[in-house]
Amino acid sequence: DAKTTQPNSMESNEEEPVHLPCNHSTISGTDYIHWYRQLPSQGPEYVIHGLTSNVNNRMASLAIAEDRKSSTLILHRATLRDAAVYYCTLPGADNYGQNFVFGPGTRLSVLP
Amino acid sequence: DTGVSQNPRHKITKRGQNVTFRCDPISEHNRLYWYRQTLGQGPEFLTYFQNEAQLEKSRLLSDRFSAERPKGSFSTLEIQRTEQGDSAMYLCASSRRLGNTEAFFGQGTRLTVV
Repeated sequence: DAKTTQPNSMESNEEEPVHLPCNHSTISGTDYIHWYRQLPSQGPEYVIHGLTSNVNNRMASLAIAEDRKSSTLILHRATLRDAAVYYCTLPGADNYGQNFVFGPGTRLSVLP
Repeated sequence: DTGVSQNPRHKITKRGQNVTFRCDPISEHNRLYWYRQTLGQGPEFLTYFQNEAQLEKSRLLSDRFSAERPKGSFSTLEIQRTEQGDSAMYLCASSRRLGNTEAFFGQGTRLTVV
């Protein structure tokens, strides 16, 4: 399975932008990059996904490197509710590529 | 609430007992996934259904684990002869049939084997 590597933890001040990096050097050409986040005692929550172009939605932006070997999740103004574990995921290397492979993720702390 | 529903939320069982968890996906979602998550780790994929067909099973899924999705609606995950190493959060997710879309996760069932 293609692997992702992320920092174990990051800190941000409230209302400041946050850039969460992810390396995925073994990504295949057709693999979408998905980001999820998980609040304490909750299941993971979808954040954003993309293939090649940068993507924006109401929650975040996703910047994908030109060689697709890394990506960055951007939270434009962190709030206390954004404190969570953020996972960068790729499809599993099975016939269908339908499952997501999660690493340990980045634990984001947001300071008031 | 139209999200993914999992029951029970918590289960404590004695080693050697069988347990069964239920997942009700979002109604129009044909794809259903089971994941397992231990403390401090990301979710690990267990198995995947498209409608009622179980299309993939992880190597993590030992013979003691079985999953079903009769009629392509709700799904059950059964663990036979539970072991202490089975203690974990069991997560269910669903997604639409077509396209590369997001998955929606339930809140999980936390299993403790004593």
